[in-house]
Amino acid sequence: GAGVSQSPRYKVAKRGQDVALRCDPISGHVSLFWYQQALGQGPEFLTYFQNEAQLDKSGLPSDRFFAERPEGSVSTLKIQRTQQEDSAVYLCASSLAGTDQETQYFGPGTRLLVL
Amino acid sequence: AQKITQTQPGMFVQEKEAVTLDCTYDTSDPSYGLFWYKQPSSGEMIFLIYQGSYDQQNATEGRYSLNFQKARKSANLVISASQLGDSAMYFCAMRDDSSASKIIFGSGTRLSIRP
Repeated sequence: GAGVSQSPRYKVAKRGQDVALRCDPISGHVSLFWYQQALGQGPEFLTYFQNEAQLDKSGLPSDRFFAERPEGSVSTLKIQRTQQEDSAVYLCASSLAGTDQETQYFGPGTRLLVL
Repeated sequence: AQKITQTQPGMFVQEKEAVTLDCTYDTSDPSYGLFWYKQPSSGEMIFLIYQGSYDQQNATEGRYSLNFQKARKSANLVISASQLGDSAMYFCAMRDDSSASKIIFGSGTRLSIRP
């Protein structure tokens, strides 16, 4: 049984470049989450999808950040005009139904470094 | 607002000893869920254990147990018979009461097991 997968695992971008990070959730999981983890800190929530609907994007730090999940499965987090402060690990998680008691299962993360 | 506090930035423990990782939380919601995740150097967040606020018994999963003291708002993780592979970052987390989706993480404790 495959877990949550993310690609690329590592990404180096020049300041001002656009990047796209991909997440493949566990098959059949309805809910998908993106988190940002700065060095030495715990993950912080970015956004949440239930199927293809983006139900919560309150954690996105600016309008340069955009996420989509058009068919309710794979999701892409896009960062436009990257800045050095965007350097972090971006974690994707999925859960079966996103209800109150559901455990979120995380992928290995994409480590983004903006130079 | 909800908050998770982990006061131990780092701990060293001798192999085969038991270890307790501290976690306190703050919430006004009577219904909530508490999680512990392990993050090894590879970066993946690994789910360890879950405790619901209305659960009558402390959660246990193999060598992991959660010492849940509701009145004190603490949810300490106990690892019995520690192993070298337990060396990792450990995060305590809570489901946000304003949203059934996002999880709020503490700042983590780095556990190092000495041979």
